[in-house]
Amino acid sequence: GESVGLHLPTLSVQEGDNSIINCAYSNSASDYFIWYKQESGKGPQFIIDIRSNMDKRQGQRVTVLLNKTVKHLSLQIAATQPGDSAVYFCAENGNNQGGKLIFGQGTELSVKP
Amino acid sequence: DAGVIQSPRHEVTEMGQEVTLRCKPISGHNSLFWYRQTMMRGLELLIYFNNNVPIDDSGMPEDRFSAKMPNASFSTLKIQPSEPRDSAVYFCASSTRSTYNEQFFGPGTRLTVL
Repeated sequence: GESVGLHLPTLSVQEGDNSIINCAYSNSASDYFIWYKQESGKGPQFIIDIRSNMDKRQGQRVTVLLNKTVKHLSLQIAATQPGDSAVYFCAENGNNQGGKLIFGQGTELSVKP
Repeated sequence: DAGVIQSPRHEVTEMGQEVTLRCKPISGHNSLFWYRQTMMRGLELLIYFNNNVPIDDSGMPEDRFSAKMPNASFSTLKIQPSEPRDSAVYFCASSTRSTYNEQFFGPGTRLTVL
């Protein structure tokens, strides 16, 4: 069946270091991927997305890398700050035309001052 | 612009009672999604609508759950009767109807069934 899974449930980094959060997906038909950030007590917030015709996309302090060969997605956060502490989810569309997304289990990022 | 609005933000009820959660999507969005989030199962899609029509309700756990979208600016998720295992945070999200657009989430409703 379709599934999106994260390798590491928790990640602890030092403030100022770079963070890398990984995600594996199983549906090779997926052609759209999103990273969401969820802070405690809030709903998930969009961070960055990428389509399958790209390998890399950069935002402000964040970069998403897509490796379709091994069905792997990663989120890189540069110069991690305490405000980056949250749970991060990857999601894929499964090539669904109705806008449905399949979410992974999430990785909790903890930034130590 | 206001984001997705959900009410109530918190709901505490007793087992057997009816619970109604409400959602107002972002104006102009024509897709609406209801999710449930728990520690055990993570974020689960319950049902979603396109242009007020339910498209996929395969995630609705059982007949006690029902959802409606009477117009483009309002949706409800009802649980009747509620059970303790329904305790979770319920999120509503909306998007434009496209394969390549992100969903915008509301703040969620934290439901506790005693």
